[in-house]
Amino acid sequence: DAKTTQPPSMDCAEGRAANLPCNHSTISGNEYVYWYRQIHSQGPQYIIHGLKNNETNEMASLIITEDRKSSTLILPHATLRDTAVYYCILDEKLTFGTGTRLTIIP
Amino acid sequence: DAGITQSPRYKITETGRQVTLMCHQTWSHSYMFWYRQDLGHGLRLIYYSAAADITDKGEVPDGYVVSRSKTENFPLTLESATRSQTSVYFCASSLQGAWTDTQYFGPGTRLTVL
Repeated sequence: DAKTTQPPSMDCAEGRAANLPCNHSTISGNEYVYWYRQIHSQGPQYIIHGLKNNETNEMASLIITEDRKSSTLILPHATLRDTAVYYCILDEKLTFGTGTRLTIIP
Repeated sequence: DAGITQSPRYKITETGRQVTLMCHQTWSHSYMFWYRQDLGHGLRLIYYSAAADITDKGEVPDGYVVSRSKTENFPLTLESATRSQTSVYFCASSLQGAWTDTQYFGPGTRLTVL
């Protein structure tokens, strides 16, 4: 039963790159990795997703290991507005889990 | 561009009462979802719908009823509210695929059952 594992919390200095890890060692071959975030009291917001290759968009980069057993979300220049809970999700699962609470430190 | 809206945003009710939470989207997305989020927990899927008149259970469907007579609306009804259903409820929609497509979330409804 595939699932994801994320650290419960992380801090990052403002202006630095925030690297959020996710382990998904039992991911199946056709499962995508999705990242969402939830800023306090708001609905979750889509960030990025990928299957095998690294992906980049205006918000973040997603690095997926060659064996696909783990991935890292990178926010290149974190700002205070990036403080949120970040969820790593596999597309066949119906639950978001508890995610990583990222705090950006001024 | 209204997107996805939920009403009411806040609701207080009593145990045993029926409550309906509304969700409306203007994108003509095929899929719609209802999640609940409890303090200290991630989101859990209650029900989802692939199209009008097609619904299916998620992880925690007990005590909830949904309908989808129109593509744009996906109401969630608590037939007899219980204190354990106090939560924040999020509605979401996606264009096509349930799990391979981006989900867009509404602002949430905070429900308190006394």
